[in-house]
Amino acid sequence: GAVVSQHPSWVICKSGTSVKIECRSLDFQATTMFWYRQFPKQSLMLMATSNEGSKATYEQGVEKDKFLINHASLTLSTLTVTSAHPEDSSFYICSARGGYDTEAFFGQGTRLTVV
Amino acid sequence: ILNVEQSPQSLHVQEGDSTNFTCSFPSSNFYALHWYRWETAKSPEALFVMTLNGDEKKKGRISATLNTKEGYSYLYIKGSQPEDSATYLCAFKGGSTLGRLYFGRGTQLTVWP
Repeated sequence: GAVVSQHPSWVICKSGTSVKIECRSLDFQATTMFWYRQFPKQSLMLMATSNEGSKATYEQGVEKDKFLINHASLTLSTLTVTSAHPEDSSFYICSARGGYDTEAFFGQGTRLTVV
Repeated sequence: ILNVEQSPQSLHVQEGDSTNFTCSFPSSNFYALHWYRWETAKSPEALFVMTLNGDEKKKGRISATLNTKEGYSYLYIKGSQPEDSATYLCAFKGGSTLGRLYFGRGTQLTVWP
């Protein structure tokens, strides 16, 4: 299958700082990228969907000003957690697909801890 | 919010045992059901995409069935091996959900040698 690379795999940051997570499709052009969040013992929950060159569509309850998503190229999307707080500590994972009805491939995920 | 349930939450079996687990999902507006295998510190790996009622798919010792009318899918592993240890996720895609996936919480399988 296609490869999606996500960095960093883990990050610890101080409360109030911002953290950027990158998601790259290495061997295909990702027209759509999805960002998920998973709290302990919970399911993966979609935060937002981004199409290359367009503004991201956020799910209900996800603050777009807090979770900034950029998808400026067909191989890179970034999620920036702004002014992070301990309650933002979670596992964040991206997935990318080349076309509407094609398989989406996942990154390895990022464990964010805000102290 | 669509409800996708997986059971059991975790499962411990001995090497060589066969096992199965369940994914239940809404029986209306069905488009596809995805199964993923997720090992620790790795990316979730797609196992199956199932679209037709009555579908049965197989990949080595792993197989899956689909019943869209009653809203469930079973994943079977025959002769479990320690390398099968992983979390198995299912995800529902509806006809009007614009391609988004609704995930269950997963079944964590541990196979003891």
